[in-house]
Amino acid sequence: AQSVTQPDIHITVSEGASLELRCNYSYGATPYLFWYVQSPGQGLQLLLKYFSGDTLVQGIKGFEAEFKRSQSSFNLRKPSVHWSDAAEYFCAVGAARSNYQLIWGAGTKLIIKP
Amino acid sequence: NAGVTQTPKFRVLKTGQSMTLLCAQDMNHEYMYWYRQDPGMGLRLIHYSVGEGTTAKGEVPDGYNVSRLKKQNFLLGLESAAPSQTSVYFCASSWVDQYQPQHFGDGTRLSIL
Repeated sequence: AQSVTQPDIHITVSEGASLELRCNYSYGATPYLFWYVQSPGQGLQLLLKYFSGDTLVQGIKGFEAEFKRSQSSFNLRKPSVHWSDAAEYFCAVGAARSNYQLIWGAGTKLIIKP
Repeated sequence: NAGVTQTPKFRVLKTGQSMTLLCAQDMNHEYMYWYRQDPGMGLRLIHYSVGEGTTAKGEVPDGYNVSRLKKQNFLLGLESAAPSQTSVYFCASSWVDQYQPQHFGDGTRLSIL
C-alpha cells in the first residue's frame, strides 16, 4: 500500500540556520508530490509541487525540494529560516492509481529558536 | 475573494447529537474533499466529490455522510456523534486536473463530549 513517512515529528532550528525536512514515500510508480504548510489555527497552503522534469523544484517563501527517485524521497529545504516559518509541514503523495487522492504524511512541526 | 469557507469554526456536541458542517467554495472547482486531522496522523480523507451530485468514500467514511447538491457547497453530516469523532475537520477543493493543488478552508474544531 502507498504510504508517506515524515520521520521527524518536530524539529527545532535557530533563526537564520538552514532547514531540511524529510519525506519518504512508498509507491510503485512515479508519484506526484506536494509540500504544504499549516500555520496555527489555519488551513493548509501549498508550498511546492513536483510532477516531472527538473527534480529540484522551487516554491513560495524561499523553500525548495528535491525529488530523489533512488531514495524515494522528496525533502524540503530552506537555506535560512525566519521566525515566521514556524508551522507544521506536510508532505503528500498522489498518483493515478489512487484515483488522484492524496496520501498525507503525519507532519513535522518546525520550532524556531530566536 | 473568500476561497474555501467552513462553518462553523468551533462546535461542542454531546454524544448522540447530530450536526452538519458546511463548506462553500467560490472558485468554481469541480472536486471537493472532507478531511479529518488528528494529532500525529496527518490528514485522512473522509469523503470526496468529483462534481455536483456525486460523492465517494475516502479512507475513513464510517459515521459520516455527505451531500453535494450544489457545485459550490459540500456538506458533511454526523448523524449520531461519538467521542471518536472529536477532531479538526478540513474542507478542500481543486480543479479536475489532478496536478492542481487543493485549496483548504481554515477548519472546524469539533469536540464530542
